[in-house]
Amino acid sequence: DSGVTQTPKHLITATGQRVTLRCSPRSGDLSVYWYQQSLDQGLQFLIQYYNGEERAKGNILERFSAQQFPDLHSELNLSSLELGDSALYFCASSAAFANTGELFFGEGSRLTVL
Amino acid sequence: GNSVTQMEGPVTLSEEAFLTINCTYTATGYPSLFWYVQYPGEGLQLLLKATKADDKGSNKGFEATYRKETTSFHLEKGSVQVSDSAVYFCALSDLGNQFYFGTGTSLTVIP
Repeated sequence: DSGVTQTPKHLITATGQRVTLRCSPRSGDLSVYWYQQSLDQGLQFLIQYYNGEERAKGNILERFSAQQFPDLHSELNLSSLELGDSALYFCASSAAFANTGELFFGEGSRLTVL
Repeated sequence: GNSVTQMEGPVTLSEEAFLTINCTYTATGYPSLFWYVQYPGEGLQLLLKATKADDKGSNKGFEATYRKETTSFHLEKGSVQVSDSAVYFCALSDLGNQFYFGTGTSLTVIP
């Protein structure tokens, strides 16, 4: 158990809909990262937050947004869903600001868009 | 920019065979290097890490040495087991705590 909790574990929805994925980081971790893993794209970095502030953006679509709340949990909002958004979405957290820290991953939220 | 390139898969080995998965990186400064493993149906978990040149990370019989001169961090295991079947990701992190992952290498070990 990594200590990172993601909900829901599975989600099936239709094209055009909007969903919210939730992540609770490990206790004390200030950094939260979101990744998308699909069969043909590998592990794609979406966005990072540190103590409530956006730190870095990766290949995140404009239809996607995220935020980190004062209690440090984070939400990833996916809107106007398309079939190609079907993927496993991982949240990870990290304690350290310096680069020697490691990432702790949740078990992922599997999104299926029909 | 920073990036990681790792050996394409999939890799299939017989039990007790020797494993090498190549990983090279491009980075400015002095990154930390990691190998993560993803077992079927699970999230990624840290396998080993090295934070400076010439450091050797090791765990569960796996080893990797941080080679600055060749910008490499190859993963090795002397004798693989069926339970090692998983996807392996090489990664680096920079001073800004940004993480860069390779594309992953799928390993299947057959009895």
